[in-house]
Amino acid sequence: GDSVTQMEGPVTLSEEAFLTINCTYTATGYPSLFWYVQYPGEGLQLLLKATKADDKGSNKGFEATYRKETTSFHLEKGSVQVSDSAVYFCALAHNAGNMLTFGGGTRLMVKP
Amino acid sequence: EAGVVQSPRYKIIEKKQPVAFWCNPISGHNTLYWYLQNLGQGPELLIRYENEEAVDDSQLPKDRFSAERLKGVDSTLKIQPAELGDSAVYLCASSLGGMNEQFFGPGTRLTVL
Repeated sequence: GDSVTQMEGPVTLSEEAFLTINCTYTATGYPSLFWYVQYPGEGLQLLLKATKADDKGSNKGFEATYRKETTSFHLEKGSVQVSDSAVYFCALAHNAGNMLTFGGGTRLMVKP
Repeated sequence: EAGVVQSPRYKIIEKKQPVAFWCNPISGHNTLYWYLQNLGQGPELLIRYENEEAVDDSQLPKDRFSAERLKGVDSTLKIQPAELGDSAVYLCASSLGGMNEQFFGPGTRLTVL
């Protein structure tokens, strides 16, 4: 079956540091890939997505590129802020049913 | 526009007791999902509704879990009887269907003592 693997956290960075959160997946066919973010006390929010190989999703300074050859979708941001502190989830879904398969989540803590 | 509403936000019960969670999706969203999120893990799908029809419930433990979505709007997820291992966050999400974005509610945190 499908699966998503993320780097374990917590990831602790200083403000303005460069962020990378690794995500790899195992799936049949060509799923869509997503990054969701969960801020403290809030529900999951879609951060960005990519629907086919070589697509780059971007939002709020975050970006991730769909790499089919390495089955990866790593999340990056050039300069993190304290307000980016949250849990980030990588996920995939096939077109039929759009049922999301999530990774285990990575907690990011940004210190001033 | 109001988001996905879930209640209660927190619930503490003793094992073997019944419990129910309620979800009100975003208006006009015909697809509704229930997910289970264990501590420190990603959400896992329990059931998906298209309008009032459960179109995928293969991950729902049917011996103790049940769900309904009467009239294709609000949905209720029930556990009877609850076990210690059911302690988790239960998330509801809704979408316009197809590959449209899923919008998540804040979840119900269940603690079974």
